[in-house]
Amino acid sequence: EVQLVESGGGLVQPGGSLRLSCAASGFTFSGYWMHWVRQAPGKGLVWVSRISDDGSSTSYADSVKGRFTISRDNAKNTLYLQMNSLRAEDTAVYYCARDFRYSSGWCFGDNWGQGTLVTVSS
Amino acid sequence: QTVVTQEPSLTVSPGGTVTLTCASSTGAVTSGYYPNWFQQKPGQGPRALIYSTSNKHSWTPARFSGSLLGGKAALTLSGVQPEDEAEYYCLLYYGGARVFGGGTKLTVL
Repeated sequence: EVQLVESGGGLVQPGGSLRLSCAASGFTFSGYWMHWVRQAPGKGLVWVSRISDDGSSTSYADSVKGRFTISRDNAKNTLYLQMNSLRAEDTAVYYCARDFRYSSGWCFGDNWGQGTLVTVSS
Repeated sequence: QTVVTQEPSLTVSPGGTVTLTCASSTGAVTSGYYPNWFQQKPGQGPRALIYSTSNKHSWTPARFSGSLLGGKAALTLSGVQPEDEAEYYCLLYYGGARVFGGGTKLTVL
């Protein structure tokens, strides 16, 4: 059974840092691109960042570029998001999601975890 | 900055048919944008429905279908059920990046 378990959220002051983790199980983690997606309270889903299967390539939404860093440890089947210089508008539930290319297309987020809540407030 | 646009809200009667659309600020949506669709109910995480325009997951009810329509990605619900009331999001691929639409709140009334 595919499982994605996010952790590391919490309350942090503006300007602070937090590191999120996503523990993956039930599939060959190293074979999938991975993403972080967030959802502010009462708002829609927003794509945040992605990393290629081997970690060699990353992309970020403009809103987090230069502040957030995505990484992965394929030996530990774990995805990370280092969040620095946090702002109030970063307050959200953060989800990790897998993404894979098959013969004729791409499939995103076939499994979702429960998410981890990040609250940025003084 | 790329923007993906969905109808903010739609209302449909039980048993009816409704089509939700997903447009890109960069132009017509084609299969190369690999449209994905998700359903989210209050208090729950997202659930995947459709990938790469029209492919269903094993758990996707048959009444849901995906297509390209008039330069947009489309999600059609035929024979809508009360339990289909939810928020629906599309996702488009832009090279290495992904962009979600703002979501459509579907009311079944």
